[in-house]
Amino acid sequence: NAGVMQNPRHLVRRRGQEARLRCSPMKGHSHVYWYRQLPEEGLKFMVYLQKENIIDESGMPKERFSAEFPKEGPSILRIQQVVRGDSAAYFCASSPREDTEAFFGQGTRLTVV
Amino acid sequence: AQSVTQLDSQVPVFEEAPVELRCNYSSSVSVYLFWYVQYPNQGLQLLLKYLSGSTLVKGINGFEAEFNKSQTSFHLRKPSVHISDTAEYFCAVSGNNDYKLSFGAGTTVTVRA
Repeated sequence: NAGVMQNPRHLVRRRGQEARLRCSPMKGHSHVYWYRQLPEEGLKFMVYLQKENIIDESGMPKERFSAEFPKEGPSILRIQQVVRGDSAAYFCASSPREDTEAFFGQGTRLTVV
Repeated sequence: AQSVTQLDSQVPVFEEAPVELRCNYSSSVSVYLFWYVQYPNQGLQLLLKYLSGSTLVKGINGFEAEFNKSQTSFHLRKPSVHISDTAEYFCAVSGNNDYKLSFGAGTTVTVRA
């Protein structure tokens, strides 16, 4: 059973471009969580999704950020018109149910130049 | 809502010496507590977790932590560290039956020969 797979591992974007981060949860997991780790900080919750539904997006910035988890395929975190402050590590986690342990992927490190 | 304070940002330690990483939390509800390790350029790996029961929790790689409800602490310990324990360690808390993890800012452990 493969773990949570995130790609790409590293992503470089110029200011104003779009960044698309992908997360394939573990087999059998229908709950996906995205966290952001800014430099020198701990992880901060961004959004919680189940298949085709956003359950909690209380940690998402109000503009430019969106997330989806379609019926088929990976979860996508999209950042439009990236700025330098978006440079961070973005981690995805998945779980089989809401009240069980979530397993983390290796993260995508986004650098905005 | 929960919050986590990791009292030490950097902990240098000699090989085979003991180490303790301090973690305090605040919460108005019952909590689950976790310690994660992040090796350089890797994702988060769960070291151990407290859900209920015995307050002394044993995890992987020889680590253990003790839940102290009266002091709202969950300190992580290892009696003898190895060079390979060099990593960043994160304490995290979630509300009972809550999916959202709140992380501390992390403690960087550097083990020297």
